[in-house]
Amino acid sequence: AQSVSQHNHHVILSEAASLELGCNYSYGGTVNLFWYVQYPGQHLQLLLKYFSGDPLVKGIKGFEAEFIKSKFSFNLRKPSVQWSDTAEYFCAVNGVTGTASKLTFGTGTRLQVTL
Amino acid sequence: DSGVTQTPKHLITATGQRVTLRCSPRSGDLSVYWYQQSLDQGLQFLIQYYNGEERAKGNILERFSAQQFPDLHSELNLSSLELGDSALYFCASSPRGAGGPLNEQFFGPGTRLTVL
Repeated sequence: AQSVSQHNHHVILSEAASLELGCNYSYGGTVNLFWYVQYPGQHLQLLLKYFSGDPLVKGIKGFEAEFIKSKFSFNLRKPSVQWSDTAEYFCAVNGVTGTASKLTFGTGTRLQVTL
Repeated sequence: DSGVTQTPKHLITATGQRVTLRCSPRSGDLSVYWYQQSLDQGLQFLIQYYNGEERAKGNILERFSAQQFPDLHSELNLSSLELGDSALYFCASSPRGAGGPLNEQFFGPGTRLTVL
């Protein structure tokens, strides 16, 4: 079974501060990894994804994430957050089974950026 | 806009009732997924269909069922509704059924179900 842990439940940062949100997963095989963002009242939007290759993945809006296989981690980073980044962030893992696919989500991290 | 549409946007009903949520995938996508987002359970995978056939099942209650039709749209049926079924129900679609770069999931706007 696959699982995802997000250790930070609620993060408050000032604008221009740097961000790092932790994500650890558990799965014995090949995984695809994702970060989604959910702005208040909106649906999930994909920030970035990792399938294979370069473990440093760049996504939209200046976000990036690093896949560290030895640590089963896929932490999300942004050098300088903006007020508009206030949202909930979900890490997700997709264990590759060959014929089926499902995303297992972490519990989410609520990011609040203050002016 | 992801290209995935869901109707209705909001649904308010009473305990014991039955509702149907509808999802239209992106053009060309063969796989449809249903997820439930609630305050106490978070985001949970319910079920996946691929080209009309069930492919994977998650924590879906027996009171819930889904199907994917020949035109690839999908419906999620929720019956004998309980207060705890109140949640946001998301549908997602992807080109194929398995993992990999060709199988990124695109999410719809969701249906907010309120059971009174």
